[in-house]
Amino acid sequence: QVLLQESGPGLVKPSETLSLTCSVSGGSVINYSWTWVRQFAGKGLEYLGLISSSGSTNYSPSFKSRVSMSIDTSKSQFSLELASVTAADTAIYYCARVAVAGSGRAFDIWGQGTLVTVSS
Amino acid sequence: DIQMTQSPSSLYASVGDRVTITCRANQSVNIYLNWYQQRPGKAPNLLIYAVSKLQSGVSSRFSGSGSGTEFTLTISSLQPEDFATYYCQQTYRYRTFGQGTRLELK
Repeated sequence: QVLLQESGPGLVKPSETLSLTCSVSGGSVINYSWTWVRQFAGKGLEYLGLISSSGSTNYSPSFKSRVSMSIDTSKSQFSLELASVTAADTAIYYCARVAVAGSGRAFDIWGQGTLVTVSS
Repeated sequence: DIQMTQSPSSLYASVGDRVTITCRANQSVNIYLNWYQQRPGKAPNLLIYAVSKLQSGVSSRFSGSGSGTEFTLTISSLQPEDFATYYCQQTYRYRTFGQGTRLELK
């Protein structure tokens, strides 16, 4: 059973960089793409971008200037960095797996999510 | 950007009811349309992918249909555990979600 677990600071100061890591257990990160999605309190879901196991990235145009993703296949981890955060970036951040080809590019396995608050 | 619009935004129904949620895109998304269920305090859970394919382990009372720009999620006979929020998602160009449909007990 593949499990994803987000980790990182729950509190980030304005103008600083939000950094999160997603650890994958029970399966390989190889041959999959991995993604980050966030959710404001009680609101909808917002896609930030994805990274393949080879390191290719696809960022949402809404975040392209501020977001960076990386992957460490040896540790079965992938990471998110979001620069120059403001209070508007306060949200629950989820990592997820992108399903294999033929599966609508859906996100088939999700982490439990981690709340990140931006505040001084 | 591809915008996804769900209707209704909220829906009241009873156990045993058949309900349908609609998702419209402002341009064609081909077959790249997925549906998720989210219960309070939990991560989204994939129900339907590629318009109509049932994710493994998901009850067959969930079904999806549609093409191009208009899609529907149908729950054939509501069970207590189905009261949740549902999101559509396009993965044709980048990825965007609908705003969600909250399904509540009447």
